[in-house]
Amino acid sequence: SQQGEEDPQALSIQEGENATMNCSYKTSINNLQWYRQNSGRGLVHLILIRSNEREKHSGRLRVTLDTSKKSSSLLITASRAADTASYFCATASNFNKFYFGSGTKLNVKP
Amino acid sequence: ETGVTQTPRHLVMGMTNKKSLKCEQHLGHNAMYWYKQSAKKPLELMFVYNFKEQTENNSVPSRFSPECPNSSHLFLHLHTLQPEDSALYLCASSQEPTTSSYEQYFGPGTRLTVT
Repeated sequence: SQQGEEDPQALSIQEGENATMNCSYKTSINNLQWYRQNSGRGLVHLILIRSNEREKHSGRLRVTLDTSKKSSSLLITASRAADTASYFCATASNFNKFYFGSGTKLNVKP
Repeated sequence: ETGVTQTPRHLVMGMTNKKSLKCEQHLGHNAMYWYKQSAKKPLELMFVYNFKEQTENNSVPSRFSPECPNSSHLFLHLHTLQPEDSALYLCASSQEPTTSSYEQYFGPGTRLTVT
């Protein structure tokens, strides 16, 4: 399937540390997006990286994309307790169809 | 608030009931989506509508019936559901997806429990 697969499934860190999550996918894509979901709520878009981009920054977020390895990483620097959530990558190869993974559950301990 | 609202937020229904989920977006988007999120499974795309026309039905059982009367409203009609249909149902909207750069805005979801 084309679904993105996040790794690790769960991550627990101390406040102030950096958190790195990875995403792998199987087919060619137009873009890859990262979303955050607080428990039992809807997803919130964080950042989009196009297939011709290699790195993108937004505040404390840094996303990389390696299309040769079909992988992406999301780095959250100087994490805060409020960053505790599940993080999903979503790949889009053609219009209208997004494929999400099962997510990485991040717990930031104060 | 993302500009996408869903009602009800929680729903408990029996297997023989008929109910509907409602989604409304206030963002001027032209595409709307239904997703199903079950525990420990990837988010599953169910239906996609562009300009009120259904463009995607991801092999969803007929007991789920979508309706999109206009670009701002999306419904999911439910009937004779099974217990395994219990999940969080998420609605999303986006700009017309004819370019490769667009993001989805999600509603808070409806937590459905089928008894």
